Amino acid sequence: DAGVIQSPRHEVTEMGQEVTLRCKPISGHNSLFWYRQTMMRGLELLIYFNNNVPIDDSGMPEDRFSAKMPNASFSTLKIQPSEPRDSAVYFCASSLEWGVSGNTIYFGEGSWLTVV
Amino acid sequence: GESVGLHLPTLSVQEGDNSIINCAYSNSASDYFIWYKQESGKGPQFIIDIRSNMDKRQGQRVTVLLNKTVKHLSLQIAATQPGDSAVYFCAEIIRSSGDKLTFGTGTRLAVRP
Repeated sequence: DAGVIQSPRHEVTEMGQEVTLRCKPISGHNSLFWYRQTMMRGLELLIYFNNNVPIDDSGMPEDRFSAKMPNASFSTLKIQPSEPRDSAVYFCASSLEWGVSGNTIYFGEGSWLTVV
Repeated sequence: GESVGLHLPTLSVQEGDNSIINCAYSNSASDYFIWYKQESGKGPQFIIDIRSNMDKRQGQRVTVLLNKTVKHLSLQIAATQPGDSAVYFCAEIIRSSGDKLTFGTGTRLAVRP
């Protein structure tokens, strides 16, 4: 089992640049989550998808952030333009039948973003 | 637990002793609780969960206790090992609020050899 795969693992970018984070969920899982982790705010849910459809994006901080899931095996989180306060670890996670019968979500290793 | 603040509580235990990590929650409508372990540089890893209609659940070397009266959750780790050193998060799910999984602040467990 390959687990949730995220890329890049680390990224350093300049303020104003576009950042794209990628995620491949566990095969067969139909729920996908994007979380952000910072020292100040801990782990925050940004958005989650069921069957490729965004269900709750109330955690997305502002219009600079967008997430897509064009198919069951791929999702992106974009930040445009990026700002230093976006520096954080961004986790993707997936689950089988979240909200129906599944209560376990599996996290990737995270994408460590630094905006300078 | 609220996910705010810079300071992470730390529990230091001797290898071989039992560890008890506590978590308080505020919403009586929470349906499920989950404990996650996060090692340095890694993503959170599922440990054990418990439904709100239960008060105890056991896994391998871990036990979760739920006291709904005082809105308190605990994770007990038996015979703590160096590999247990990590940050532990409790998380709650409220079905009536869109099944969001909300994390607490976390507790750092440090195991002394």
